[in-house]
Amino acid sequence: QVQLVESGGGVVQPGRSLRLSCAASGFTFSSYPMHWVRQAPGKGLEWVAVISNDGRDKHFADSVKGRFTISRDNSKNTLYLQMNSLRAEDTAVYYCARDQTVRAADYYFDSWGQGTLVTVSS
Amino acid sequence: EIVLTQSPATLSLSPGERATLSCRASQSVSSYLAWYQQKPGQAPRLLIYDASNRATGIPARFSGSGSGTDFTLTISTLEPEDFAVYYCQQRSNWPSITFGQGTRLEIK
Repeated sequence: QVQLVESGGGVVQPGRSLRLSCAASGFTFSSYPMHWVRQAPGKGLEWVAVISNDGRDKHFADSVKGRFTISRDNSKNTLYLQMNSLRAEDTAVYYCARDQTVRAADYYFDSWGQGTLVTVSS
Repeated sequence: EIVLTQSPATLSLSPGERATLSCRASQSVSSYLAWYQQKPGQAPRLLIYDASNRATGIPARFSGSGSGTDFTLTISTLEPEDFAVYYCQQRSNWPSITFGQGTRLEIK
């Protein structure tokens, strides 16, 4: 079955960097666009970024544009989120999520990891 | 940015009753709307996509309707496991994806 396992979260000071990873299994990772979605404590969901199945096309939410980058290694079935210049408002559980369709993203998320908590605090 | 407003914020019902949840968009999203269920400490689960299509493995008691700016998620007969928070999400103007603020469905 589809499994997504995030790692890399933790406590980090404002202005510092952190890299999240998402290990995928149970499906052909290289066929699917992948997303990051976050959820601040006690709050709703916020889409963060998407990467195409081949890694060539990427898009970001305005709130993270210029600070976060998304990448993938299809040989390792792993998705990444590099977060730079972190702010207190980036504090959230970060989920990796699979797009529902192969190749061309339709921005519906049919499988999710369990999430990893990032806390930005001094 | 398209704003999605969900109502009510909290819905109190009993198992066996019918639940009707609403999602209104600030501008037309055509039929590009999804619904998710999230239980405490868990990731969201896709229920409905393109306004009315059930995702794989979703029970038939869940149904979605609407188009344009007004959408509804209906749970025909509530089961104990249906009490959770529900979010709507639009993908009409991707990559500017937005979610509603959520409706909490609680046991009365």
